[in-house]
Amino acid sequence: DTGVSQNPRHKITKRGQNVTFRCDPISEHNRLYWYRQTLGQGPEFLTYFQNEAQLEKSRLLSDRFSAERPKGSFSTLEIQRTEQGDSAMYLCARSGTSGTEGYLWAKNIQYFGAGTRLSVL
Amino acid sequence: QKEVEQDPGPLSVPEGAIVSLNCTYSNSAFQYFMWYRQYSRKGPELLMYTYSSGNKEDGRFTAQVDKSSKYISLFIRDSQPSDSATYLCAMGSGSARQLTFGSGTQLTVLP
Repeated sequence: DTGVSQNPRHKITKRGQNVTFRCDPISEHNRLYWYRQTLGQGPEFLTYFQNEAQLEKSRLLSDRFSAERPKGSFSTLEIQRTEQGDSAMYLCARSGTSGTEGYLWAKNIQYFGAGTRLSVL
Repeated sequence: QKEVEQDPGPLSVPEGAIVSLNCTYSNSAFQYFMWYRQYSRKGPELLMYTYSSGNKEDGRFTAQVDKSSKYISLFIRDSQPSDSATYLCAMGSGSARQLTFGSGTQLTVLP
């Protein structure tokens, strides 16, 4: 158990519809990340939160994408006006903690959820 | 050219073989290095993490980092059919919070 729960596991939608994914870390972790993974590729960074503040956004995160993390707990990723090119696995990750891993830099370790697979028809 | 290059395979080995998986990278700012295992339709599972150059061993797995050559490796000893998965290398730097991944190597261990 990585301590990251993602819902739904699979979402099928028609082109042009809006979709929202949710990520719940098992307990509050100050860093939360979103990645996108397409078939045969490694995950690509989308955005990152420290507590409730969205600190970094990738150029992959077009205007149709928005992410929130209210109160620094769970996070949502919304895609508006979906396109077929949005079909991918969307992964959420939480940071490790230096107390758990025993190293100050261990907060850079990332633990991933099972992902939400989006299929846009 | 991608920042992180990884041979996609597929790699097929008999049970009990030693497996060597490798990645090269171009960004000298990378300071910490991780290996993830990903089963089909699942999220990446952290296997190993190392900081800077050197070796780290955990059971049947050994991770090596050579920063001078910008080359990292993962060795799997006594490979098992349950090791069949895609292996992803990932790396990051202190200034950038995100991880940069290789494209993954698909491994099959034949019984």
